[in-house]
Order: sequence, then C-alpha cells, then structure tokens
Amino acid sequence: AQSVSQHNHHVILSEAASLELGCNYSYGGTVNLFWYVQYPGQHLQLLLKYFSGDPLVKGIKGFEAEFIKSKFSFNLRKPSVQWSDTAEYFCAVNDGRAGSARQLTFGSGTQLTVLP
Amino acid sequence: KAGVTQTPRYLIKTRGQQVTLSCSPISGHRSVSWYQQTPGQGLQFLFEYFSETQRNKGNFPGRFSGRQFSNSRSEMNVSTLELGDSALYLCASSLGLAGGLSNEQFFGPGTRLTVL
Repeated sequence: AQSVSQHNHHVILSEAASLELGCNYSYGGTVNLFWYVQYPGQHLQLLLKYFSGDPLVKGIKGFEAEFIKSKFSFNLRKPSVQWSDTAEYFCAVNDGRAGSARQLTFGSGTQLTVLP
Repeated sequence: KAGVTQTPRYLIKTRGQQVTLSCSPISGHRSVSWYQQTPGQGLQFLFEYFSETQRNKGNFPGRFSGRQFSNSRSEMNVSTLELGDSALYLCASSLGLAGGLSNEQFFGPGTRLTVL
C-alpha cells in the first residue's frame, strides 16, 4: 500500500522566513503528487500538483514544489512566508495502479504557524 | 462554477444510530470520493464512486457505505454509530476519467459528525 510521510508536524516561523516542508512517498512507479492547504475553518484547497513534465511546479500564493523521483520526495517551498500562510498543509499522492488512480493517500499534515 | 457542496455541515448523533451524509459534485464531474478526517488518523480514503458504481474502497468496516445517483450526487451512510466515528467527513469530486489531470480532486467543506 502507498504511504506518505511528512516529517514536520508543527513548524513555527517568523514572517519573511523561508519555508520548506518535507514529503516522501513509498510507491516507486508513476505517481501524481499534490499539496493541499487547510486554513482554519476552511476546506481543503489545492496549492499545487504534479502529473508529469517539469519536476519544479509552481502553485498559488507563491508556493512551489520539486519532485525528485530518486528520493521519492515532493517538498513544498516558499521563499518568504506571511502571517496569512498559517494553516495546515497536506501532501497527497495517487498512483497509476489499477483501482487506486483516484484514491488519494495523505500525509499526516504539517501545522504551519507564522508569527507576525 | 459552483464548488462541491455537502449537507448537512454539522450533525450530532448518539451511539447506535445511523447517519446519511450528502455530497453534490462540481457540475460535469462524475467521480465522487469520500474521506474521513480525524486528529488521530488524519485523512483516510473511504470509497470512490463513478457512474453510480463503487470503483475503489478503503479499509473501513461494512458499517460505512455509499451510493451515487444518476446526477452524480452521492450519499454516504454510517450505521450503528460508534464514538470513534466522530470526524470530519470530506467529499471530493473529479472528472474521474483516465489520465492524470482528470484525477485532480476538489474538496467540499465537509460534514462535522459528533457521536455522543
């Protein structure tokens, strides 16, 4: 079964600091990769996605992520965080195996707190 | 285009009762997936429906069931409720066709179920 690991459970940063959140997955075949964000009291929103092509993907609100196949990783980055980035971030994966292409496996989430 | 809608937003039930949750996907989306979100287990996949047929199923007991109607709306049912069923139940819709981009899932706001 697919598994997704997010190494940081809670990250606290000051505004303007750089952010990198780690995500590793287990399946070695073709994967689709996602980062979702859940702001307090709001529903899950897609930040960015990777299906194929350029391994460096850019998403909304200045976020980007890099897919490194050899490391089974899809880390999320932002050069300068804002107080409004305070939220929980989830990495998610689905793979091309029959029966699981539309089944997202989520990491445990990282709570990001940005101090003003 | 309207997003994914879920009703009701909040529910309180007692142990042993049953509950039905409803999800209306984005217009044109034929796949509906359900997820359970709890503080302890995180986001876990329940099942996915496409064209009124269950295509994928996660590791949940048979008390959890669902169905999809011809207009792609979906319902999820939990029978004989247990305290541990207290969670946020999320519905996500996608085009559901073959190919990466069609598997991008859009989430609704969720139904918060509390079992007393």
